[in-house]
Amino acid sequence: GENVEQHPSTLSVQEGDSAVIKCTYSDSASNYFPWYKQELGKRPQLIIDIRSNVGEKKDQRIAVTLNKTAKHFSLHITETQPEDSAVYFCAALNSGYSTLTFGKGTMLLVSP
Amino acid sequence: DGGITQSPKYLFRKEGQNVTLSCEQNLNHDAMYWYRQDPGQGLRLIYYSQIVNDFQKGDIAEGYSVSREKKESFPLTVTSAQKNPTAFYLCASSSRQASGNTIYFGEGSWLTVV
Repeated sequence: GENVEQHPSTLSVQEGDSAVIKCTYSDSASNYFPWYKQELGKRPQLIIDIRSNVGEKKDQRIAVTLNKTAKHFSLHITETQPEDSAVYFCAALNSGYSTLTFGKGTMLLVSP
Repeated sequence: DGGITQSPKYLFRKEGQNVTLSCEQNLNHDAMYWYRQDPGQGLRLIYYSQIVNDFQKGDIAEGYSVSREKKESFPLTVTSAQKNPTAFYLCASSSRQASGNTIYFGEGSWLTVV
């Protein structure tokens, strides 16, 4: 099955800095890669996703890049704000079973 | 997101007891999922169902059971065979299989063994 590795496990930045979270996956047939944001005690919510037919997708301060050859994808957050503080999860589609496999999460702390 | 309702939000279980977590969705989604979340472990798939009356084991199905008698409902039973059930449980659904369709999560249920 799919295996997703996510790094770093924690990331501390100053407000206004950029933050980058990286994930690798094992299933070369995976073609869908969503990112979820989870605030403390709440449900994960989709913030951006990318399909394998594109290499980059951007939505305001958030962007995701995908390198299919290297089997890794990354989340980029620019001009970080304190409200960006949360746990971020990457995921990859398990092509054999049509389910998502999640990384272990990155706790992002943005200091004012 | 608001179309997936989990109950109860908090549940305490005595050792040796079975408990059932409810999950109902009004999004007309075909596929439903149960994930377990532990600190530092991310989300791990327990069971999933792609159509009514059919379901498959996920990565950590031991000690759990499910049913899918109605499209809207996918209850999860945590049995006494689950040795470490204290966790945050998340139900989710998607319009078809997760092949490129967004998975939406419920608000979660906190289960604590006392």
